[in-house]
Amino acid sequence: GENVEQHPSTLSVQEGDSAVIKCTYSDSASNYFPWYKQELGKRPQLIIDIRSNVGEKKDQRIAVTLNKTAKHFSLHITETQPEDSAVYFCAASRGGGADGLTFGKGTHLIIQP
Amino acid sequence: SAVISQKPSRDICQRGTSLTIQCQVDSQVTMMFWYRQQPGQSLTLIATANQGSEATYESGFVIDKFPISRPNLTFSTLTVSNMSPEDSSIYLCSVSPRQFFGPGTRLTVL
Repeated sequence: GENVEQHPSTLSVQEGDSAVIKCTYSDSASNYFPWYKQELGKRPQLIIDIRSNVGEKKDQRIAVTLNKTAKHFSLHITETQPEDSAVYFCAASRGGGADGLTFGKGTHLIIQP
Repeated sequence: SAVISQKPSRDICQRGTSLTIQCQVDSQVTMMFWYRQQPGQSLTLIATANQGSEATYESGFVIDKFPISRPNLTFSTLTVSNMSPEDSSIYLCSVSPRQFFGPGTRLTVL
């Protein structure tokens, strides 16, 4: 089955700097890669997703890049703000999202004021 | 995006008992998914529920322990049977194709 590795487990950045979280996946048939933000005590919130026919996707301060050959994808957050502090999870699945997701272990992002 | 609700939001149960969690969606969806998030951990897929067929379980999860029903295109239930303290987790449902999550059910087993 699919295996998703996520790094780093904890990331501390200064407010205003950029943050990058990286994930690798093992199943070459995976074609849907969402990212979730989870604040303490809340449900995971889908913040951005990418399909394998696209190399990059941006939404304001958030971007995701996908390298199918290397089987890795990354989340980029620019101009970080205190409200970006949370745990971020990457995930992968086949079927364009119609299949269940395999999650990475999560990255605790800390924005230092 | 679909609006997903779950009941109950939380519960405290005694070991050996069972709890049924409900997931309701405001629109018809083909696939519904059940996940478990143990304290401080990531999410793990329990099973996929497709209306009109038996649920498909992931490795490590069995129907006797986690029976699932999917009676129509907007509703599903997950039962956690014969509970032990190790079942203490947050249980979440989601829907395809863009997987938004319900608010979760926080289960504590004493």
